[in-house]
Amino acid sequence: GENVEQHPSTLSVQEGDSAVIKCTYSDSASNYFPWYKQELGKRPQLIIDIRSNVGEKKDQRIAVTLNKTAKHFSLHITETQPEDSAVYFCAASLPDTGRRALTFGSGTRLQVQP
Amino acid sequence: EAGVTQSPTHLIKTRGQQATLRCSPISGHTSVYWYQQALGLGLQFLLWYDEGEERNRGNFPPRFSGRQFPNYSSELNVNALELEDSALYLCASSLLNNYGYTFGSGTRLTVV
Repeated sequence: GENVEQHPSTLSVQEGDSAVIKCTYSDSASNYFPWYKQELGKRPQLIIDIRSNVGEKKDQRIAVTLNKTAKHFSLHITETQPEDSAVYFCAASLPDTGRRALTFGSGTRLQVQP
Repeated sequence: EAGVTQSPTHLIKTRGQQATLRCSPISGHTSVYWYQQALGLGLQFLLWYDEGEERNRGNFPPRFSGRQFPNYSSELNVNALELEDSALYLCASSLLNNYGYTFGSGTRLTVV
């Protein structure tokens, strides 16, 4: 089955710096890659996603890149702010589920120091 | 618009008992997904229901089961509870043609 590895497990940056979180997946048939943000005690929320026919997608300070050949994708957050502090999960769609069911990475705890 | 609602918020059970968790999706969402989030770990896919049928299940033993009702709400049942079943169980829903999930707040199951 699909396996998603996520690095680093923790990341501490200074406010205003950039943060990068990387994920690799195992099944080349995966074709949908969302990122979720989970603040302490709250539910995960979708922040950005990318499909396999696109190499990069941006939304304000957040961008995601996908390298299908290498089977890895990354989340880039620029000009980090204290409210970006949270756990971030990457995910990859399980094949044969029409992008519906997901396998999640183990999460990255991002701490933005003011 | 009401979000995804889960009940109960917390549940304490004894090893060997059965637990039933409930989820109501956003109105109009036909798909319901169940995930297990053990302490400090990521989300593990449990089950996916759509239009009343189980569409896919993750790598969990058969004592994890569920169903979806005609109103698209769903139940997750865990039989013969084990200590390692203690976790946050998250339900999510989505539209048929929208791949983004909306998660509920979860049910924290504690097995003692």
